Amino acid sequence: DTGVSQDPRHKITKRGQNVTFRCDPISEHNRLYWYRQTLGQGPEFLTYFQNEAQLEKSRLLSDRFSAERPKGSFSTLEIQRTEQGDSAMYLCASSLAPSSEQFFGPGTRLTVL
Amino acid sequence: TQLLEQSPQFLSIQEGENLTVYCNSSSVFSSLQWYRQEPGEGPVLLVTVVTGGEVKKLKRLTFQFGDARKDSSLHITAAQPGDTGLYLCAGAMEYGNKLVFGAGTILRVKS
Repeated sequence: DTGVSQDPRHKITKRGQNVTFRCDPISEHNRLYWYRQTLGQGPEFLTYFQNEAQLEKSRLLSDRFSAERPKGSFSTLEIQRTEQGDSAMYLCASSLAPSSEQFFGPGTRLTVL
Repeated sequence: TQLLEQSPQFLSIQEGENLTVYCNSSSVFSSLQWYRQEPGEGPVLLVTVVTGGEVKKLKRLTFQFGDARKDSSLHITAAQPGDTGLYLCAGAMEYGNKLVFGAGTILRVKS
């Protein structure tokens, strides 16, 4: 399978704990995006990278959130001191610039108790 | 405030019926994508439209981009139970940049 993959698919954690998610994009894609989706809503943009450079961050991305793409391939999204409001589906997508077509992974469902 | 408004929010129809889903905005988009999402999964790209007035067909699905590139529609002919899912429209304001999504239309096709 050469699509976007995400790990883990599900994560249950207690409030205050740190969590880290991983995304592996389609191999030749140079752009990688993170989105968050809550029930009944469409995905909301969090941040994106072109190669290893983080080019834009949403105001939704508080200082408890950090994303990296150290070698321009896979990316990680870390949430520190999780809160119940962080419970959501975290989606990763990739594209080959300059195309605007983004291909999504299966998502990581986070539940904060 | 949703930048992209989708309507209807929910649609329940019988197999064989036709339907249209709308995606409207006051903003101009460089491109617009339609996705279909199933519960617990990521969105799957159906089509990308780029040119104002463009019409694309994918089997029983017809997608149209408005002349001013502010709105779009998805028409399904002879809906089947396999068409059931959440349909999302997403616009890129700058080519190749982040997507802004509508809230989605939940479609249920009953057999």
